[in-house]
Amino acid sequence: EAQVTQNPRYLITVTGKKLTVTCSQNMNHEYMSWYRQDPGLGLRQIYYSMNVEVTDKGDVPEGYKVSRKEKRNFPLILESPSPNQTSLYFCASSWGGTGADTQYFGPGTRLTVL
Amino acid sequence: GENVEQHPSTLSVQEGDSAVIKCTYSDSASNYFPWYKQELGKRPQLIIDIRSNVGEKKDQRIAVTLNKTAKHFSLHITETQPEDSAVYFCAAKARAGGSEKLVFGKGTKLTVNP
Repeated sequence: EAQVTQNPRYLITVTGKKLTVTCSQNMNHEYMSWYRQDPGLGLRQIYYSMNVEVTDKGDVPEGYKVSRKEKRNFPLILESPSPNQTSLYFCASSWGGTGADTQYFGPGTRLTVL
Repeated sequence: GENVEQHPSTLSVQEGDSAVIKCTYSDSASNYFPWYKQELGKRPQLIIDIRSNVGEKKDQRIAVTLNKTAKHFSLHITETQPEDSAVYFCAAKARAGGSEKLVFGKGTKLTVNP
């Protein structure tokens, strides 16, 4: 089944404890992206990747890191999480390298930073 | 950069009525406009999209219209049903440096009352 997966789905952590949210897609998509969703603010892009080893900042990259060592995986890293990073996170992928095509979203990761 | 404004932020209709959500965009070069539906606790999923070479596209009870001159596009849902209750996001393809990306509106929470 073609899909985007994320893990974990739910995470409660404490300020400053490094964490990684994994994202994987099995559709051979070139483009992958991370969004955060907050009430009233919609979907805001954190980072995106147009291909292996090619990543760039989105609209709200502060406090986040990403890597794209393989085409299928695009992990999101929070080196020192803070409470303002409490949010719902979505990974997405699309066939085209620019992301300006149909985006397929993962199931979401609800992160709480205490 | 591209700015996508979406209105209204909340919309409540009676079952069987029509619902209209409108989005405006700023980049006159934008030529791809998708709509995503996000049910409660679920991921956003594409429901319909339109490209700038057409003015209207229909798929059963949903339709999207595009006015490139005025730089706005709208989602129309006819004969609404309770299962149409969700948050709807519009998006527009935007130039991003030497690449492109999707810019999302802030979302409209649609409630269909039985």
